[in-house]
Amino acid sequence: DTAVSQTPKYLVTQMGNDKSIKCEQNLGHDTMYWYKQDSKKFLKIMFSYNNKELIINETVPNRFSPKSPDKAHLNLHINSLELGDSAVYFCASRDLAGGMETQYFGPGTRLLVL
Amino acid sequence: SQQGEEDPQALSIQEGENATMNCSYKTSINNLQWYRQNSGRGLVHLILIRSNEREKHSGRLRVTLDTSKKSSSLLITASRAADTASYFCATDGTGGYNKLIFGAGTRLAVHP
Repeated sequence: DTAVSQTPKYLVTQMGNDKSIKCEQNLGHDTMYWYKQDSKKFLKIMFSYNNKELIINETVPNRFSPKSPDKAHLNLHINSLELGDSAVYFCASRDLAGGMETQYFGPGTRLLVL
Repeated sequence: SQQGEEDPQALSIQEGENATMNCSYKTSINNLQWYRQNSGRGLVHLILIRSNEREKHSGRLRVTLDTSKKSSSLLITASRAADTASYFCATDGTGGYNKLIFGAGTRLAVHP
């Protein structure tokens, strides 16, 4: 059973397009995150939701819009894709209310913007 | 800005040798965590050390934390080829946002 899953695994698209990445966790965690890992392997937090509410919003272009329909899902929609958006995007989850300090990561979505 | 810095950036050793990776950070923390990333995969949590702890062990892993120097080290003893991966430290700060700030990672290659 996959704890944190992401779809799609790979995404190749043209500049200017709009795309979405989906994340689901079946761990019963209340908090989910999106991270971006660039070509140099730097991993940086983008957003976090706790029980469907946005709690962390780093300095990310407003072309990126996260949506959490329920606490098990956190999707990322990206408008007007740019070359610099090419990266690996990781979803993660955590049981914040339960005092969990570690995060569980999904396998990543490799986005390539041409 | 990226908080953590790790060194070395890359480490190449033979099986059976020990591997030591270092991590430095800039602000106060609640805890520091180490994660492992195999090529093309997601991150997997390895070990967590709290700000009031100085050393922690888990199997072949040994983590130290020096809050006065704002630094940590991860030691992998008796390395195996399967330990080949990137290793990241991540700090959970005291700012109340419960977010992890990751270092740049160390790429470890263990040769048979």
